[in-house]
Amino acid sequence: QVQLQESGPGLVKPSQTLSLTCTVSDGAISSGSDYWDWIRQPAGEGLEWIGRIHSSGTTNYNPSFKSRVTISVDTSNSLFSLKLSSVTAADTAVYYCANLELATLIPWGQGTLVTVSS
Amino acid sequence: DIQMTQSPSSLSASVGDRVTITCRASQSINRYLYWYQQKPGEAPKLLIYDASRLPSWVPSRFSGGGSETEFTLTINSLQAEDLAVYHCQQNYRTPWTFGQGTKVEIK
Repeated sequence: QVQLQESGPGLVKPSQTLSLTCTVSDGAISSGSDYWDWIRQPAGEGLEWIGRIHSSGTTNYNPSFKSRVTISVDTSNSLFSLKLSSVTAADTAVYYCANLELATLIPWGQGTLVTVSS
Repeated sequence: DIQMTQSPSSLSASVGDRVTITCRASQSINRYLYWYQQKPGEAPKLLIYDASRLPSWVPSRFSGGGSETEFTLTINSLQAEDLAVYHCQQNYRTPWTFGQGTKVEIK
């Protein structure tokens, strides 16, 4: 089964850029034609979709983040990445990577907590 | 954006009870609806897709229904391990949007 694993700094200073990577096992990004998603969840709150990238590089972003977010893909290393700029305390959350259109086949990553604090 | 509204926001029920959660969409989404189960400290896990279809790993006490703008998730004979937050998500049109979640507690 394909597995996803998030990685990146757990602490980011306000106004800086949050950077996370999602590694996809078994080279699934390069072997398929799929979209790969980032979702976040502030503590005690609901889920918020940030955006997605196709293995070809095409992106869709949530307009709520559009001016601050960049999602990229590296098919040769089977990973995709999230950058969120100008972060504030409101961006403190657990960040998940997933493949929402193939959720019946691919479970979400376990999630990684990112805290924005000086 | 398509707004998803769940009710109730939380509920408490006894083992063996039948529990129903509702999810309403701000516009028709056909049957493009997922339900997720999120146990404490874990990532969400797919519970139902296409409004009523169960993945192979989901117990048959879970069922989903509805179409267009109104959907339900029913747990027949609630079990202690069903303690979780349940989320609906529309996958009709981006930006994908989620309900605010329903917390199910066991009395």
